[in-house]
Amino acid sequence: DGGITQSPKYLFRKEGQNVTLSCEQNLNHDAMYWYRQDPGQGLRLIYYSQIVNDFQKGDIAEGYSVSREKKESFPLTVTSAQKNPTAFYLCASSIQGATEKLFFGSGTQLSVL
Amino acid sequence: GENVEQHPSTLSVQEGDSAVIKCTYSDSASNYFPWYKQELGKRPQLIIDIRSNVGEKKDQRIAVTLNKTAKHFSLHITETQPEDSAVYFCALGAGTALIFGKGTTLSVSS
Repeated sequence: DGGITQSPKYLFRKEGQNVTLSCEQNLNHDAMYWYRQDPGQGLRLIYYSQIVNDFQKGDIAEGYSVSREKKESFPLTVTSAQKNPTAFYLCASSIQGATEKLFFGSGTQLSVL
Repeated sequence: GENVEQHPSTLSVQEGDSAVIKCTYSDSASNYFPWYKQELGKRPQLIIDIRSNVGEKKDQRIAVTLNKTAKHFSLHITETQPEDSAVYFCALGAGTALIFGKGTTLSVSS
């Protein structure tokens, strides 16, 4: 599965620890997104970036941070302020804006030890 | 923010039957309505989409209908097969990022 790569596939976080989820794409897409998936809750938007060095909060940004220093990369940090981090995290990208077709990565399952 | 309601949350059909999933929304500015399919343990994938200037779109056994006046859109799957079993998400696009429904788990039994 090329195009958009997330790593690691599984991640465990200890109490009070910050962890960073990686998302890299080689599709030359301008826009990138982070969604959180919980059972029965659908996909909820955490952060998105439409261009390098710029990003916006989504509906559930509290306890998370992002950076967009390169077009290809959009890492997500889950901070200790996020009290319920256990979830499946999906990164996505699109050609332009946000209303175009999203291509998703294969996801990272984050669990708390 | 914008919200999209998706129903039903679970749907069980017999192979060969039709399945219909409906989503309703409130923001009149929404102009892009995609549907994603997520098989167990896999990433969501776009299966069909429609824009606000079109009322219906078909692709083989799947179709999407849009009623902008009533603010709802639906996914129709005909002649269902076991491989159609998955979680289906509707979404809205209105110029920022896609907003997703909570998903419908479709089970097709043979």
